[in-house]
Amino acid sequence: AQSVTQLGSHVSVSEGALVLLRCNYSSSVPPYLFWYVQYPNQGLQLLLKYTSAATLVKGINGFEAEFKKSETSFHLTKPSAHMSDAAEYFCAVSDKDKIIFGKGTRLHILP
Amino acid sequence: EAQVTQNPRYLITVTGKKLTVTCSQNMNHEYMSWYRQDPGLGLRQIYYSMNVEVTDKGDVPEGYKVSRKEKRNFPLILESPSPNQTSLYFCASRPDRGVTEAFFGQGTRLTVV
Repeated sequence: AQSVTQLGSHVSVSEGALVLLRCNYSSSVPPYLFWYVQYPNQGLQLLLKYTSAATLVKGINGFEAEFKKSETSFHLTKPSAHMSDAAEYFCAVSDKDKIIFGKGTRLHILP
Repeated sequence: EAQVTQNPRYLITVTGKKLTVTCSQNMNHEYMSWYRQDPGLGLRQIYYSMNVEVTDKGDVPEGYKVSRKEKRNFPLILESPSPNQTSLYFCASRPDRGVTEAFFGQGTRLTVV
């Protein structure tokens, strides 16, 4: 079965600093990977997805993620954090009949 | 506007009183599912449906029922709610399996006392 592991349930960065949220996947076949963001009191919104077309995937709000097969990773980055980026982020993998989510990383932005 | 609509957004109920959370999508998606979100556990799939009249259990189906009589609607039924079903629930739809992402409703926060 496929799975994803997110390293760090809470991450704090200063406004303007690099954001790095880590995700490792486990899959026996080429995976379809996603990053979702959840703002307070809202549903999940797709940030970006990897479907094997390109290893570097650009998403909304300045986020991007790089698929590294050798490291089984799909880390999410943003060069410069903004206060509005404070939210919970979920890495996910598509596994036939469902999307399997990691446990989430809450991103805190320090002024 | 393409969307997944859940109702109600907030619900407080008592143990044992049957309730239904509705979910409707206007994107003609074949695939719909329900998740619950609990702190530290992420999202876990309760039930899913690949098409009308086709439903199957997810990872945590105990205490829940679903039905798919129409393509657009996928209600979640709690016949006899218990306090351990207090959670945040999300309905999601996808065009199909595999590469496509899921579109989520706004969530229903359920409290069972």
